[in-house]
Amino acid sequence: AQSVTQPDIHITVSEGASLELRCNYSYGATPYLFWYVQSPGQGLQLLLKYFSGDTLVQGIKGFEAEFKRSQSSFNLRKPSVHWSDAAEYFCAVGGEYGNKLVFGAGTILRVKS
Amino acid sequence: SQTIHQWPATLVQPVGSPLSLECTVEGTSNPNLYWYRQAAGRGLQLLFYSVGIGQISSEVPQNLSASRPQDRQFILSSKKLLLSDSGFYLCAWSPPPRLAVTYEQYFGPGTRLTVT
Repeated sequence: AQSVTQPDIHITVSEGASLELRCNYSYGATPYLFWYVQSPGQGLQLLLKYFSGDTLVQGIKGFEAEFKRSQSSFNLRKPSVHWSDAAEYFCAVGGEYGNKLVFGAGTILRVKS
Repeated sequence: SQTIHQWPATLVQPVGSPLSLECTVEGTSNPNLYWYRQAAGRGLQLLFYSVGIGQISSEVPQNLSASRPQDRQFILSSKKLLLSDSGFYLCAWSPPPRLAVTYEQYFGPGTRLTVT
């Protein structure tokens, strides 16, 4: 069965520093992978997605993610974090259950000035 | 472009009272629709999903029910609320299977429900 693990519950980075949020998935076939961001009290916004092709995908707000099949990972990165990036980030995987996604537990990003 | 609406934005209800949360989608036809719940400090729990009018699949047995009376309308209901029903309720949509390529879902702004 599909599953997603986000190992870090909380991460704190300094403004201007680089960021990497980890995501590991479990799925035998080629997965559809997503990163979402959620600001407090709001819905989830799709940052980027991967389903085939180039393993490095670009998203909105300066984020990118790299699909590594050998490591079953889809880590989210940003070269320079802004205070407005403070939010909760969810990794999700699809494919096994048709139109249903499996979400990770989320990583809360704090940005210190 | 597509837009998803949820209302109300916030709701405070006493235990034992009924519940009705509404979600509507604009700008697309025959979407797949989903209800999720986020409890405090927890991730997303899929409650219901629907692939068409009157077609509802329940993911978790509970005090809630869902209905889809129109193509782009999805309603979450309860006859008698429990304290444990408190949480943040999110509606989402995805393109119908004939158009779906990557299965991404698009979320509404959510409804904060507090049961007192």
